[in-house]
Amino acid sequence: AQKITQTQPGMFVQEKEAVTLDCTYDTSDPSYGLFWYKQPSSGEMIFLIYQGSYDQQNATEGRYSLNFQKARKSANLVISASQLGDSAMYFCAMREAVNNAGNMLTFGGGTRLMVKP
Amino acid sequence: DAGITQSPRHKVTETGTPVTLRCHQTENHRYMYWYRQDPGHGLRLIHYSYGVKDTDKGEVSDGYSVSRSKTEDFLLTLESATSSQTSVYFCAIKAGTGPGSNNSPLHFGNGTRLTVT
Repeated sequence: AQKITQTQPGMFVQEKEAVTLDCTYDTSDPSYGLFWYKQPSSGEMIFLIYQGSYDQQNATEGRYSLNFQKARKSANLVISASQLGDSAMYFCAMREAVNNAGNMLTFGGGTRLMVKP
Repeated sequence: DAGITQSPRHKVTETGTPVTLRCHQTENHRYMYWYRQDPGHGLRLIHYSYGVKDTDKGEVSDGYSVSRSKTEDFLLTLESATSSQTSVYFCAIKAGTGPGSNNSPLHFGNGTRLTVT
């Protein structure tokens, strides 16, 4: 079974509008973390934001925020005021407690975001 | 910049030939990872290392082996390349080793695009 599911293969958003990218996860581990990465067309993986399972508040980082709904096992990324440079693939990833593995991450299949001028 | 260098950046090889990809880091990080990226699958973990000569398998380890003889280098070897191993390969490191480092994201190299013909 998929541990991380991103149900939107592709999305369009108008420049300056907000957009939500969906991510649901499956784990029985009470201690886990959720990460979002951006991959522009140049190919590098850029870390955006982190949410821990015990964090009381939703994570925010500049124009990025996480809508973390623990009971629903969802961690949606919200990008406010979209910019043309936000056009990229976005990946949700989960860290579970694994002996010796440090922060081994399991990734979703990604969502391609396209920002329209 | 996490000081990660992957080599080569691009490689074309024939089915059945051995291939070794190198990941070099300059900051003495303990944890290193090899992922492959394929459309629709996001990134999948091949192998990881938690110290010199300490490695373990990930989700898609069949057909791959790794070695870590010194802290700075983590090598991924395809013993006999197959067309199904055509992919983009990413090396990653985790900064920090203490309990608080669970929040630490993985930092990725720029990837190696491997084509097996």
